[in-house]
Amino acid sequence: NAGVTQTPKFRVLKTGQSMTLLCAQDMNHEYMYWYRQDPGMGLRLIHYSVGEGTTAKGEVPDGYNVSRLKKQNFLLGLESAAPSQTSVYFCASSKRYEQYFGPGTRLTVT
Amino acid sequence: AQSVTQLDSHVSVSEGTPVLLRCNYSSSYSPSLFWYVQHPNKGLQLLLKYTSAATLVKGINGFEAEFKKSETSFHLTKPSAHMSDAAEYFCVVSDGQGNTPLVFGKGTRLSVIA
Repeated sequence: NAGVTQTPKFRVLKTGQSMTLLCAQDMNHEYMYWYRQDPGMGLRLIHYSVGEGTTAKGEVPDGYNVSRLKKQNFLLGLESAAPSQTSVYFCASSKRYEQYFGPGTRLTVT
Repeated sequence: AQSVTQLDSHVSVSEGTPVLLRCNYSSSYSPSLFWYVQHPNKGLQLLLKYTSAATLVKGINGFEAEFKKSETSFHLTKPSAHMSDAAEYFCVVSDGQGNTPLVFGKGTRLSVIA
């Protein structure tokens, strides 16, 4: 099992550009999550999904969109990147309470 | 709504001495509580979890935590620090009613001095 994988690992964007981060899990988990991690802030939830075809907003959803077309994949989109979105992004999946995290994507917006 | 407060942003200990990382929580329901560890430039790894079973929870690498409902605390301890314990530690709470998302504390950076 690969667990939770994230693509890409690193990305640099210019302000106003768009991109999509891909999260994939092979554990057949229903629940998937996108977090961002900023220094001194811990992890903050952006969006999450409780099953295929469903999504919900988290604590900091503005500027992001998500889609869960397949159970194993959870996509995070930035429509028009801003410097404030420079962060490390983590995806996670869970079956019940314990969440399994991917290795992270380091995004820099200049 | 849940929240969690990690009382120290940075803790420094000498190798071989005890570790105490403090965490207080707030939850409307019977919570599930977790400690995660993150080594530099790595993802998060679950250390231990409390989900309404025994109040003293043992985790990996010699860590343990005690759930104290009366004090709304879930402090993480280890009898003897090792250099490899140097990392960022996150206390996390979840609403015990269901699969609601996790709420993270801001983290405590543990330094271990040789």
